Amino acid sequence: AQTVTQSQPEMSVQEAETVTLSCTYDTSESDYYLFWYKQPPSRQMILVIRQEAYKQQNATENRFSVNFQKAAKSFSLKISDSQLGDAAMYFCAYRSNYGGSQGNLIFGKGTKLSVKP
Amino acid sequence: DAGVIQSPRHEVTEMGQEVTLRCKPISGHDYLFWYRQTMMRGLELLIYFNNNVPIDDSGMPEDRFSAKMPNASFSTLKIQPSEPRDSAVYFCASSQRGHLRGNTIYFGEGSWLTVV
Repeated sequence: AQTVTQSQPEMSVQEAETVTLSCTYDTSESDYYLFWYKQPPSRQMILVIRQEAYKQQNATENRFSVNFQKAAKSFSLKISDSQLGDAAMYFCAYRSNYGGSQGNLIFGKGTKLSVKP
Repeated sequence: DAGVIQSPRHEVTEMGQEVTLRCKPISGHDYLFWYRQTMMRGLELLIYFNNNVPIDDSGMPEDRFSAKMPNASFSTLKIQPSEPRDSAVYFCASSQRGHLRGNTIYFGEGSWLTVV
């Protein structure tokens, strides 16, 4: 079974600086997707960024980028120029691209990010 | 495009009452998920459907919980009878599958349930 591990329960960053959130996963599959979701205090789950495992190029979305190391099974999120609105819980998630009972998202336990003004 | 729509957004009910949560997935999505989030247990998958058929319901806590998807645009999660330990945020989510169709799971805003 696949697992996702976020080893940093909490992180803090100064406004305008850069922070990296860590995520590792375990799988024997080769075809899968990885995601970072943001959950602000409103509790809504917001997609931040997505990475297809078959793509070598790291995904980027404005100030958000990932460092995807497939061999190491590592998927970290970098937030540049941090803003107060980035303060939230961040979840790393894995989804198999195979059918059957593997359509679900496997979540890490989350990292709570605080942004200091 | 409209996202995943859930109702009610907030519900407070008394123990023993029936609770029904509703979800309208994004049009064209063929996967629908129900998740529950609590402080103690984090995010848990309760059940998911593919093409209106339940695929994995191993996360449904007990017989008090039931979920249905009568058509591609509507699903319900019912708790009967409700208990205080059912208090949580319940998320509905939907997606398509496959490289050409994307694999992203999109979440609704959640239904906050409090059972007193």
